[in-house]
Amino acid sequence: KAGVTQTPRYLIKTRGQQVTLSCSPISGHRSVSWYQQTPGQGLQFLFEYFSETQRNKGNFPGRFSGRQFSNSRSEMNVSTLELGDSALYLCASSPVASETDTQYFGPGTRLTVL
Amino acid sequence: AQSVTQLGSHVSVSEGALVLLRCNYSSSVPPYLFWYVQYPNQGLQLLLKYTSAATLVKGINGFEAEFKKSETSFHLTKPSAHMSDAAEYFCAVSDQGGSYIPTFGRGTSLIVHP
Repeated sequence: KAGVTQTPRYLIKTRGQQVTLSCSPISGHRSVSWYQQTPGQGLQFLFEYFSETQRNKGNFPGRFSGRQFSNSRSEMNVSTLELGDSALYLCASSPVASETDTQYFGPGTRLTVL
Repeated sequence: AQSVTQLGSHVSVSEGALVLLRCNYSSSVPPYLFWYVQYPNQGLQLLLKYTSAATLVKGINGFEAEFKKSETSFHLTKPSAHMSDAAEYFCAVSDQGGSYIPTFGRGTSLIVHP
C-alpha cells in the first residue's frame, strides 16, 4: 500500500498570505489528523477528520481550518499567515480511529513564512 | 486529562552502548502507550505500542519498552545502539474512552557517537 502523501513538501509564503496543504491518507483509512511541529512547541494537534466531519480540534486560532473529502483526502488552510506559523505540518491517517490505532504519518510540508 | 513527560531533550550514547529513553505519563484511566521515531526530513513512524496485553512490548529495530503502572512509566530501551538509531523519539499516550487522539511528548533526540 502507498503511504501517506503530502503536497507540497516545501512552501515559502509571506506574512498575510494564505496557504493550502494537501494530504492523501493510506487507502482505506478514514481518519486524518493534522499536527504542527516546531522546535519550541514540539508536536501540537491541530484537528482530526473522520468521514468528512471534524471530530476533534486542538487549541489553535480560527485562521487554521481544514476539511476532508469523500475519498478521505484532506486539506488544511491557514489564512493571514504569521511568522510564527513557520513549521513542519504533519498529516497522519489511521484506519477507523480508536485509542489503540497506529497513526501513519506523511513526510510533512515544511512551511516558511517570511 | 492525559499528559506525557519525556525526561531529557537530548540523550547521547556511544555505538554499542545501551539506549534508555524515559517516558512518564499521567492518565486518569488505563492508558495506551506508543513510541514513535522520526528520522531527519521524515514523518513519524511507529516503533511499538502497549495496548494492555503483555507489559513488555517488543518493537522494530531491536527496541522494547516496559509498561510499569506503579511508576507510571513506559521507558524505551535497546541493548546496543547503532549509528542508524540517531533520530528523534516521541512517546505518546491515549486513554480508553478518550478522543482517539494521542498526546505526544516533547521528544528526545538520540545522538549516537562512533
